Amino acid sequence: DTEVTQTPKHLVMGMTNKKSLKCEQHMGHRAMYWYKQKAKKPPELMFVYSYEKLSINESVPSRFSPECPNSSLLNLHLHALQPEDSALYLCASSQDYHGELFFGEGSRLTVL
Amino acid sequence: GQQVMQIPQYQHVQEGEDFTTYCNSSTTLSNIQWYKQRPGGHPVFLIQLVKSGEVKKQKRLTFQFGEAKKNSSLHITATQTTDVGTYFCAGPGANAGKSTFGDGTTLTVKP
Repeated sequence: DTEVTQTPKHLVMGMTNKKSLKCEQHMGHRAMYWYKQKAKKPPELMFVYSYEKLSINESVPSRFSPECPNSSLLNLHLHALQPEDSALYLCASSQDYHGELFFGEGSRLTVL
Repeated sequence: GQQVMQIPQYQHVQEGEDFTTYCNSSTTLSNIQWYKQRPGGHPVFLIQLVKSGEVKKQKRLTFQFGEAKKNSSLHITATQTTDVGTYFCAGPGANAGKSTFGDGTTLTVKP
């Protein structure tokens, strides 16, 4: 069982839809991450939040909008996505920048 | 930017054979982490190495960090079918919080 919970597990959306992915952790971790993973590829960093502030944005298109409402929650708002955005979206947390990453089970997104 | 290269990309072994994956960086790493991702699953942390020349063991898994802290390896002795999955190394990126993952080595084990 993972201590990082992601919802939904699966999401299918059209290119004009607006949806959100949610992530929650109760380990008191201060860093939270969004990764994107395509099939047979490594996780690719998208965003990092540290102490609820966005610290890293890896030049992600603005159709992906992260939000950190509090230290336990991390959202990824999706709008006007493209079919090539279909992937597994992984949330992770860590005690600090140098610690191990705890990954959630991921949200598998399909954009039609 | 900083990259970690991982080889081989795929490894197919007979159950009971040994397996090794290698991770190399062009720059010195302050630490290196290893993760395992089962098919259809998510990455799970295995270990972190910090010291030059460090060797750590977890049952049949042996992790090494090179003396120059530019390379690392994961060795599995006598593989079992439960070892299948993709093994990733990850090094710290240029900016704090930016871990860079190797491309991974996918291990399949034939019973």
